[in-house]
Amino acid sequence: GAVVSQHPSWVICKSGTSVKIECRSLDFQATTMFWYRQFPKQSLMLMATSNEGSKATYEQGVEKDKFLINHASLTLSTLTVTSAHPEDSSFYICSARDRGAANYEQYFGPGTRLTVT
Amino acid sequence: AQKVTQAQTEISVVEKEDVTLDCVYETRDTTYYLFWYKQPPSGELVFLIRRNSFDEQNEISGRYSWNFQKSTSSFNFTITASQVVDSAVYFCALYNFNKFYFGSGTKLNVKP
Repeated sequence: GAVVSQHPSWVICKSGTSVKIECRSLDFQATTMFWYRQFPKQSLMLMATSNEGSKATYEQGVEKDKFLINHASLTLSTLTVTSAHPEDSSFYICSARDRGAANYEQYFGPGTRLTVT
Repeated sequence: AQKVTQAQTEISVVEKEDVTLDCVYETRDTTYYLFWYKQPPSGELVFLIRRNSFDEQNEISGRYSWNFQKSTSSFNFTITASQVVDSAVYFCALYNFNKFYFGSGTKLNVKP
């Protein structure tokens, strides 16, 4: 089956620093990847959609200058949280859509837990 | 607007009891997909089932069963003879207009 990995699985950073989270499709090409944020005991909220080779599309209310998304290859998308603050602490999950698959066929990564101190 | 409602925030049952998790959705479209995911404490989403809007046939997979009723916009999930390993947060999701809309989740606690 299709596998999506995320790195790191958890990270602790100090307030004001930046942190990069990687999302990789291991056995398929993903033209589109999605980034979600999940606060404790809450649902997943779509932050942005990234297409390989083009700019990401951000959901309303998500600061694109704070959450930088790069989708430079068909197997890798990165989310960089710039100048992180404690309120950015959350569980970040990516998903990827196989190049030849239907739109709804997305595979979710295991998530990255970010703690900003 | 697209919306998924899981009214049950948390449910506790004793092992071997049956439990039903409710899911109600809203969408204007006639073509959509409904999903259930399990999220154990590790956080990784585990895919359980997908149904499209044109297939109202109920489905059974082992101890799991799903009841899809378009008339009430519901897609309920039943676990028969629950086990401790079923303890997790369960999300119902609607896929529509190229996006996933997740419900708020139901935390299921199965006690031995």
